[in-house]
Amino acid sequence: KQEVTQIPAALSVPEGENLVLNCSFTDSAIYNLQWFRQDPGKGLTSLLLIQSSQREQTSGRLNASLDKSSGRSTLYIAASQPGDSATYLCAVPSGGGADGLTFGKGTHLIIQP
Amino acid sequence: EAGVTQFPSHSVIEKGQTVTLRCDPISGHDNLYWYRRVMGKEIKFLLHFVKESKQDESGMPNNRFLAERTGGTYSTLKVQPAELEDSGVYFCASSIADRSYGLYFGPGTRLTVL
Repeated sequence: KQEVTQIPAALSVPEGENLVLNCSFTDSAIYNLQWFRQDPGKGLTSLLLIQSSQREQTSGRLNASLDKSSGRSTLYIAASQPGDSATYLCAVPSGGGADGLTFGKGTHLIIQP
Repeated sequence: EAGVTQFPSHSVIEKGQTVTLRCDPISGHDNLYWYRRVMGKEIKFLLHFVKESKQDESGMPNNRFLAERTGGTYSTLKVQPAELEDSGVYFCASSIADRSYGLYFGPGTRLTVL
């Protein structure tokens, strides 16, 4: 059964810092990995989708890496801004014949102005 | 292009009542998913439609939950009768391709069962 762990659970840093969010998963037989952002009271916004054949994806100040063999992914946020404050979720296909995604509990990020 | 929409945004009902949640996926998206997040837990998969067919309903908690997608457009998720542990946020997502590629999520329906 796929399990996803995100560390840290919460993070508060001053504006301008570079930071790294971590995600680990137990079943490395995945075909992709997604990072999502959730703002309070809102739905999930897909940030980055990394296919299993890729090692990283970049979008603006965000960079996500994937090490399938070790079951890890990191989301790097450069030059953080208060608008980056949100909960960041990592998700991988559940596998085992199930169609859905398995999510981590998320990292609650606060960027202090 | 309109995103995934869900109705209602909030619902407060009493234990034993019935509630029906609705999801309108992005036009042209054959794949529709329901997920749920209960307090303090991670988001969990409930079921997956391809057009009007249930592809995978392995995540449905029990037979008090019934999902339909007549005509392969919008979907409804009915909870009957509702129990306290059903409280949470119910998310709908849609995608063009299957295997969870490029999922677009709706804003969710917050269900509170008293």
